[in-house]
Amino acid sequence: GAVVSQHPSRVICKSGTSVKIECRSLDFQATTMFWYRQFPKQSLMLMATSNEGSKATYEQGVEKDKFLINHASLTLSTLTVTSAHPEDSSFYICSALRVAGQGGYEQYFGPGTRLTVT
Amino acid sequence: GQQLNQSPQSMFIQEGEDVSMNCTSSSIFNTWLWYKQDPGEGPVLLIALYKAGELTSNGRLTAQFGITRKDSFLNISASIPSDVGIYFCAGQTTGTASKLTFGTGTRLQVTL
Repeated sequence: GAVVSQHPSRVICKSGTSVKIECRSLDFQATTMFWYRQFPKQSLMLMATSNEGSKATYEQGVEKDKFLINHASLTLSTLTVTSAHPEDSSFYICSALRVAGQGGYEQYFGPGTRLTVT
Repeated sequence: GQQLNQSPQSMFIQEGEDVSMNCTSSSIFNTWLWYKQDPGEGPVLLIALYKAGELTSNGRLTAQFGITRKDSFLNISASIPSDVGIYFCAGQTTGTASKLTFGTGTRLQVTL
């Protein structure tokens, strides 16, 4: 259990265009999902928290108008990178929050999306 | 954003050896999680720890939640080639936000 998928796995786009990335929890419902960005040889940096039915919460320094997040259902969150530029090229990873057996929460990650902006 | 200090940064070991890595924080966390990430993939959850002092095993992996709630360690016994990858610790606070703060990562390479 606890499978999270992402689509697409890789995308190349031209500078100035927009790209949408989907994150789905396949076998559980997730009211909360998270979006991370990871640059080569670095750790994961949280971009935003995606809440089903409400606005996303963005981390400091992340432009909410550039990285649009929509969490329209309990199993789907989307991240749209608007007017992409080469510096937006990165590995984008989502995670979904699931209640664990001991009352805590566990995050399960998707396989990631490699975005390259030319 | 904040990152947790993880050490060592990288290590080369021989197959069959035991491995130990740790993670420290200046802040208290209520949950510690350990993940493994292979190149081009998302992190995979290995072990979750919920109580200070808790020691939990998952096969050849053992992790402990430090008493001060500011640290955790992960041990891998009898390493095998497929243990290669990057290991991340992550601390989580309670509450609905449940955001993770990640460690800087430990890159493990296993030689035959």
